[in-house]
Amino acid sequence: TQLLEQSPQFLSIQEGENLTVYCNSSSVFSSLQWYRQEPGEGPVLLVTVVTGGEVKKLKRLTFQFGDARKDSSLHITAAQPGDTGLYLCAGRSTRGKLIFGQGTTLQVKP
Amino acid sequence: DSGVTQTPKHLITATGQRVTLRCSPRSGDLSVYWYQQSLDQGLQFLIQYYNGEERAKGNILERFSAQQFPDLHSELNLSSLELGDSALYFCASTEGDWNYGYTFGSGTRLTVV
Repeated sequence: TQLLEQSPQFLSIQEGENLTVYCNSSSVFSSLQWYRQEPGEGPVLLVTVVTGGEVKKLKRLTFQFGDARKDSSLHITAAQPGDTGLYLCAGRSTRGKLIFGQGTTLQVKP
Repeated sequence: DSGVTQTPKHLITATGQRVTLRCSPRSGDLSVYWYQQSLDQGLQFLIQYYNGEERAKGNILERFSAQQFPDLHSELNLSSLELGDSALYFCASTEGDWNYGYTFGSGTRLTVV
């Protein structure tokens, strides 16, 4: 069974701080996605990474796919209260379905 | 608005009952995916339909069933409901059978009492 483990599970920081969320697996994934979910809403796709070692930037968010395509990280620079939410990584399994990590709940205090 | 419509938004029902959750995919999307989200299990894949046919199955209980109709909307039927079935149920859609980006609906919050 392919599993994705996210760490930390909870993160509470002050506005302006930097943070990194990790997504790890013992399995190789053909692609990996990051989603952000707000209370009462469905997850919203932030980015997809496909190539090992790939780095993508989305304003203050930097996403990296590990060289072996088994892990990924999300780094947020100068976090804002609007970044508060549940961050989910998801990998496409060998059988094609999308497998989600448990998520990281981020709270950014003003 | 993501373009994926789920109804109802909230549902409260008693144990042993049966409910139907409905999902209309984004215009042009042929694949529909159902996920269950609970606090202790996270987002769990239930089932996928592509253009009316079942394409993949996850950890879906035998008490649960789904189908996709010719107009591409999908329904998830949950029967003999138990307290543990209380969760958020999400539908997502993609254009093809192997697409990277899933578009999720806002979910149906099911509470079994």
